[in-house]
Amino acid sequence: TQLLEQSPQFLSIQEGENLTVYCNSSSVFSSLQWYRQEPGEGPVLLVTVVTGGEVKKLKRLTFQFGDARKDSSLHITAAQPGDTGLYLCAGERVNTGNQFYFGTGTSLTVIP
Amino acid sequence: DTEVTQTPKHLVMGMTNKKSLKCEQHMGHRAMYWYKQKAKKPPELMFVYSYEKLSINESVPSRFSPECPNSSLLNLHLHALQPEDSALYLCASSSRAVGGGNTDTQYFGPGTRLTVL
Repeated sequence: TQLLEQSPQFLSIQEGENLTVYCNSSSVFSSLQWYRQEPGEGPVLLVTVVTGGEVKKLKRLTFQFGDARKDSSLHITAAQPGDTGLYLCAGERVNTGNQFYFGTGTSLTVIP
Repeated sequence: DTEVTQTPKHLVMGMTNKKSLKCEQHMGHRAMYWYKQKAKKPPELMFVYSYEKLSINESVPSRFSPECPNSSLLNLHLHALQPEDSALYLCASSSRAVGGGNTDTQYFGPGTRLTVL
């Protein structure tokens, strides 16, 4: 069983549409990261959230950390083909030696 | 600068070969990581080094042998691999040593695409 579950697993949308990706767990995390990864490349850090209820914006991307620090969401407004990729959340658990745990991943395709 | 570099970019090897993957960071980070990733799956943790000492080994087969010569370098020595070991191998680093306080963030290298024939 994966510690962090992402939904949806796959998403194919038209350019200009909005979308939300969810990252959920029953565990508490001291911080959570979102990455975007293109095929054959390493994950690129988008954001780190650390405070319960925190909202961060990066151009058309909005990230939210749940109040209880067990979940997070990524919302993309007016998706563009350049947003295509694998989106990964990764959490740093509290009181477990601060090991990082990855979500199950969401593969996004934005069709021009 | 948040750059982690990895060499080579691509590697093809036979099952009897010995090869090494290299990773380098100059951010002064105290923890370095090796991950294995299959297509469209999340990375799987293999090893963690903290202050140049191996702190986590996720039950990785002995045909994978990590080495941390100094705080900036991380190697992964490969010997007698199997075709199922073909994958993208990712190196990452983070500023705080494992078990330390405060929050932390991992930065990843571009990966090495390994093919075992």
